[in-house]
Amino acid sequence: AQSVTQLGSHVSVSEGALVLLRCNYSSSVPPYLFWYVQYPNQGLQLLLKYTSAATLVKGINGFEAEFKKSETSFHLTKPSAHMSDAAEYFCAVSDGNYQLIWGAGTKLIIKP
Amino acid sequence: EAGVTQFPSHSVIEKGQTVTLRCDPISGHDNLYWYRRVMGKEIKFLLHFVKESKQDESGMPNNRFLAERTGGTYSTLKVQPAELEDSGVYFCASSFTAGGYETQYFGPGTRLLVL
Repeated sequence: AQSVTQLGSHVSVSEGALVLLRCNYSSSVPPYLFWYVQYPNQGLQLLLKYTSAATLVKGINGFEAEFKKSETSFHLTKPSAHMSDAAEYFCAVSDGNYQLIWGAGTKLIIKP
Repeated sequence: EAGVTQFPSHSVIEKGQTVTLRCDPISGHDNLYWYRRVMGKEIKFLLHFVKESKQDESGMPNNRFLAERTGGTYSTLKVQPAELEDSGVYFCASSFTAGGYETQYFGPGTRLLVL
């Protein structure tokens, strides 16, 4: 069975600092991996996805994630945090049968 | 192009009442999904329609939940009778089948509170 673990329900960084949100997955087949973001009072928006092409995936708003099969990880990073990045971030995995399996979410807090 | 829309945005009902949630997918998307996030927990898959057919309803919690997709367009999710544990955010998503894995586009969610 597939599963996703996001380390840290809350992550706090200073504006301008590196953002690192961790995601580890388990899957018996080559996975599809996703990061979604939910801004306050809004729906889920796709940040980026990995579908077996390049292992370093670039997304919107300066975010990127690297698929590391040996570590079963898909961590999300951004070099410099902005106040507008404050949101909840979700990592999800699929084995290709369309159903997404989700992590518990990480709330990113940006300190001025 | 309009995104996925959901109605209502919020619903507060009493235990035992019936609530119907509606989802309008992106025009032309044949796949429609329902997910739910109970407070403090992860988002969970409920079911998947391909056009008007239920492709996978393995996530439906029990027979108090009924989903339909009339004519392969909009979908409704009815909860009857509602229980306290049904409170949460219900998300709808849609995607277009074009070979390979297609991105699911999400609506803003319906926040359901059962008192």
